[in-house]
Amino acid sequence: GAVVSQHPSWVICKSGTSVKIECRSLDFQATTMFWYRQFPKQSLMLMATSNEGSKATYEQGVEKDKFLINHASLTLSTLTVTSAHPEDSSFYICSAIPLAGDTDTQYFGPGTRLTVL
Amino acid sequence: ELKVEQNPLFLSMQEGKNYTIYCNYSTTSDRLYWYRQDPGKSLESLFVLLSNGAVKQEGRLMASLDTKARLSTLHITAAVHDLSATYFCAVAASNNDMRFGAGTRLTVKP
Repeated sequence: GAVVSQHPSWVICKSGTSVKIECRSLDFQATTMFWYRQFPKQSLMLMATSNEGSKATYEQGVEKDKFLINHASLTLSTLTVTSAHPEDSSFYICSAIPLAGDTDTQYFGPGTRLTVL
Repeated sequence: ELKVEQNPLFLSMQEGKNYTIYCNYSTTSDRLYWYRQDPGKSLESLFVLLSNGAVKQEGRLMASLDTKARLSTLHITAAVHDLSATYFCAVAASNNDMRFGAGTRLTVKP
């Protein structure tokens, strides 16, 4: 089946530093990947849609200069949280839609738990 | 804007009982998803419903979709403790954006 990985699975950083999270589709290609954020005991909120070879589309209220998204290949999207602050601490989950095959399904990664001290 | 409402938000039930979780959405969509999330984990796909009247079943869970009423249900039959988790419905917009419901935290007690 379609597998999406994320790295790292958890990260702790100091306030003001930048953190990069990778999302990879391991056995399929994906032109579109999504980044979600989930605060404790809350639902998933879509942050941005990442398209291979083009600029990401950000949801209203998400700062594009703070959450940098790069989708350089059909199997990799990265989210960089720049100048992280404690309020950025959250569970970040990516998902990917296969380029071919089951294109109706988003496959989710295992998530990255970010803690900013 | 596509909005998704789920209820109840919290559900505590006894083992062996039946219950239904409801998911309403605000604009036309023909793709609805149900996911399960265990604490500290990511999402596990349960069902993908693609057409009006679609019904899918897996074990003690059955999901249905009524696109005219903009309503999906997740029915739990004879609940067991292992079903304790948070269940999310999500609706896909035309550009593949997914909007999630608030989630239903299910606790099944012995």
